[in-house]
Amino acid sequence: NAGVTQTPKFQVLKTGQSMTLQCAQDMNHEYMSWYRQDPGMGLRLIHYSVGAGITDQGEVPNGYNVSRSTTEDFPLRLLSAAPSQTSVYFCASSYGRHNEQFFGPGTRLTVL
Amino acid sequence: KNEVEQSPQNLTAQEGEFITINCSYSVGISALHWLQQHPGGGIVSLFMLSSGKKKHGRLIATINIQEKHSSLHITASHPRDSAVYICAVQETSGSRLTFGEGTQLTVNP
Repeated sequence: NAGVTQTPKFQVLKTGQSMTLQCAQDMNHEYMSWYRQDPGMGLRLIHYSVGAGITDQGEVPNGYNVSRSTTEDFPLRLLSAAPSQTSVYFCASSYGRHNEQFFGPGTRLTVL
Repeated sequence: KNEVEQSPQNLTAQEGEFITINCSYSVGISALHWLQQHPGGGIVSLFMLSSGKKKHGRLIATINIQEKHSSLHITASHPRDSAVYICAVQETSGSRLTFGEGTQLTVNP
């Protein structure tokens, strides 16, 4: 099993550009989530999904969209990137919301 | 005040020392997670516990629900234990995890 995979590993955007961060898992996990990690702050939840077709907002959802058309994939979209979105992004999955979390390797995003 | 507080923020130890990292929280929880983040950035789950104590190799995690406090202990520490250790709580009221800021551990040979 590949576990949780994320692409790309690194990305540089200009302000106003759009992009999609990809996340996939092959463990048949229902629960998937996106976090951002910033210096001096703990991981913060952006969006999460409890199953295909179901998504909800987390702590810091503004500027991000998600969809969950399949159990395996949970892409995160930045519609118009801003410098405040410079961060490291982690995708995670678990069997259920109260189970062990499995994290992807992260995507380091810089918005100029 | 953060809902999850870790102490210390930074910890330097000599190889072989016994290490304790503390986590206090202020909300009702259904579970507490200890995670490890290595210098390369990857995050792995060490423990998930809702009561008592768990042990895996040289790592021990304890939780006191009444006192809203958990500790992560590392026995016979080794330089490869150098990492950031993160405490996260699963709130009973919702589905999200709330994370502490992490403890940077450096173990010198």
